[in-house]
Amino acid sequence: GDSVTQMEGPVTLSEEAFLTINCTYTATGYPSLFWYVQYPGEGLQLLLKATKADDKGSNKGFEATYRKETTSFHLEKGSVQVSDSAVYFCALSGWSSASKIIFGSGTRLSIRP
Amino acid sequence: DVKVTQSSRYLVKRTGEKVFLECVQDMDHENMFWYRQDPGLGLRLIYFSYDVKMKEKGDIPEGYSVSREKKERFSLILESASTSQTSMYLCASTEGNYNEQFFGPGTRLTVL
Repeated sequence: GDSVTQMEGPVTLSEEAFLTINCTYTATGYPSLFWYVQYPGEGLQLLLKATKADDKGSNKGFEATYRKETTSFHLEKGSVQVSDSAVYFCALSGWSSASKIIFGSGTRLSIRP
Repeated sequence: DVKVTQSSRYLVKRTGEKVFLECVQDMDHENMFWYRQDPGLGLRLIYFSYDVKMKEKGDIPEGYSVSREKKERFSLILESASTSQTSMYLCASTEGNYNEQFFGPGTRLTVL
């Protein structure tokens, strides 16, 4: 079945560092891909998405590119801030999951000043 | 702005009590979902509904039931709460297939 594998955390970086959180997926066909963010004590919010190969999703300085050839959707940000500290989830919705979303296990990111 | 609301942010119940968690969405979405989130286990789907009065089991339905009498409201019921059901519960909704889900703020349930 469909699955998402993302980088284990926690990840700790200094402010203004470059961020990459790796995400790879297994799915039939062409799934939609998402990154969600969860700030402490809150629900999940959609950060960005891409619905077809080579699409780039972007929001709040974060970017991810849908790579069909490597089945990847890595999250990047050029300069992180303390306010980016949160848990990040990679996710997909594809042919076999229909309205459901398959989530990765989440990566906790901590940014130190 | 889209909105999913949950009836409580924090709830404390005793073992054996019947517990109702309510979720309401204002986007006229057909699909609604209940998840639980536990440290180290990520999000796990309990139940979902793709229409009024329709429900499907997710990955961990044991000990839970659901009710969807109106399109905008999806309730999660713990028939007899146990300490193992202490968790964060998240509700979400979406329209159609392959689209993003919109989440509520979560209910942190503690069962003593």
